[in-house]
Amino acid sequence: DTGVSQNPRHKITKRGQNVTFRCDPISEHNRLYWYRQTLGQGPEFLTYFQNEAQLEKSRLLSDRFSAERPKGSFSTLEIQRTEQGDSAMYLCASLRSGGPYEQYFGPGTRLTVT
Amino acid sequence: EDQVTQSPEALRLQEGESSSLNCSYTVSGLRGLFWYRQDPGKGPEFLFTLYSAGEEKEKERLKATLTKKESFLHITAPKPEDSATYLCAVQAVEYGNKLVFGAGTILRVKS
Repeated sequence: DTGVSQNPRHKITKRGQNVTFRCDPISEHNRLYWYRQTLGQGPEFLTYFQNEAQLEKSRLLSDRFSAERPKGSFSTLEIQRTEQGDSAMYLCASLRSGGPYEQYFGPGTRLTVT
Repeated sequence: EDQVTQSPEALRLQEGESSSLNCSYTVSGLRGLFWYRQDPGKGPEFLFTLYSAGEEKEKERLKATLTKKESFLHITAPKPEDSATYLCAVQAVEYGNKLVFGAGTILRVKS
């Protein structure tokens, strides 16, 4: 399967703990995006990378959130000191710059903060 | 003010009852409008990209159209397996390289 993959699929954590999610994009895609989706809403942009460079971060992204893509392949999203308001589906998407603009999404990581 | 608005929020159809979903947008520099299907607990699945007013795309029972201010997703003779949330998103000059999504339309097709 050459689609976008995300791990874990589900994560339950207690408030105040740190969590890390991983995204593996489609292999030839050099752009990678992170979105957050809450119930009844569309995905909301968090940040994106072109190769290993983080080019844009949402103003809504607090300092507790950090993302990396060290070798321009997989990416990680870390949330420090989780809060109940962080509970959401975290989605990763990828595309090949210079090609069609459509982004292909992974299955998401469902985070529940208790 | 929401830049991407979808209506209705929810739609119930009988199998075979055709209808349309609406996505209106207020951006000025549209680079592309995208339709996705999302099943519960899963990531969005890409359906169509529309780039300019007048453009149409079709796939099975779905047809997407685009005007200068809105897009329609027409569903012809739907089946229960078409039940899902349909999301539209825009990419625009003022947004850079990210997508801005509407809240989606939840479609339920009953047999």
